[in-house]
Amino acid sequence: GAVVSQHPSWVICKSGTSVKIECRSLDFQATTMFWYRQFPKQSLMLMATSNEGSKATYEQGVEKDKFLINHASLTLSTLTVTSAHPEDSSFYICSASRQGDPYEQYFGPGTRLTVT
Amino acid sequence: AQSVSQHNHHVILSEAASLELGCNYSYGGTVNLFWYVQYPGQHLQLLLKYFSGDPLVKGIKGFEAEFIKSKFSFNLRKPSVQWSDTAEYFCAVPGGGSQGNLIFGKGTKLSVKP
Repeated sequence: GAVVSQHPSWVICKSGTSVKIECRSLDFQATTMFWYRQFPKQSLMLMATSNEGSKATYEQGVEKDKFLINHASLTLSTLTVTSAHPEDSSFYICSASRQGDPYEQYFGPGTRLTVT
Repeated sequence: AQSVSQHNHHVILSEAASLELGCNYSYGGTVNLFWYVQYPGQHLQLLLKYFSGDPLVKGIKGFEAEFIKSKFSFNLRKPSVQWSDTAEYFCAVPGGGSQGNLIFGKGTKLSVKP
């Protein structure tokens, strides 16, 4: 159990366009979902934390108007990269946790975004 | 501020060798420590975690880690590695707040030669 999926697994978009990435918990209810960004050969950097039905909490330095996060249900969170630029190219990973167990996170497989 | 450091960037071992990956942390609250593993092409998964109690924590796949409070360390160990242990290993600590966000170390890439 505790499977998290992401869609798409990779996406290429043109500069200036927007792209949406979905994160789903397939077999449990995720009260909290996290979005991370991973640069090549570097660690995961937390971008934002989202709870179902409320606004996401963004980490310092992350533009909330550029990286729109919606956590509409207990099994789905979306990250929309608006007006994407080449520097937004990265590996985006989501994770989810259950109520009462906030630190045990289940990770999705990640989405590779390339902005041309 | 919370932080975690992993000193080994890339470790290369032969099969059956013993493994120890270093992790040092700086954390002001209740100490919770984690090791995650990312196998090639796969997603991150939890290896083991320490919340309280016995400082020697057993995880999956024969891994263990020891919390040494005086050294602010939580090193990952395995007595005899296998080729299938080739992966990237991340140490993590809570990032603060109540929502469970984690701060990850930079990771250690382990390559096991068959």
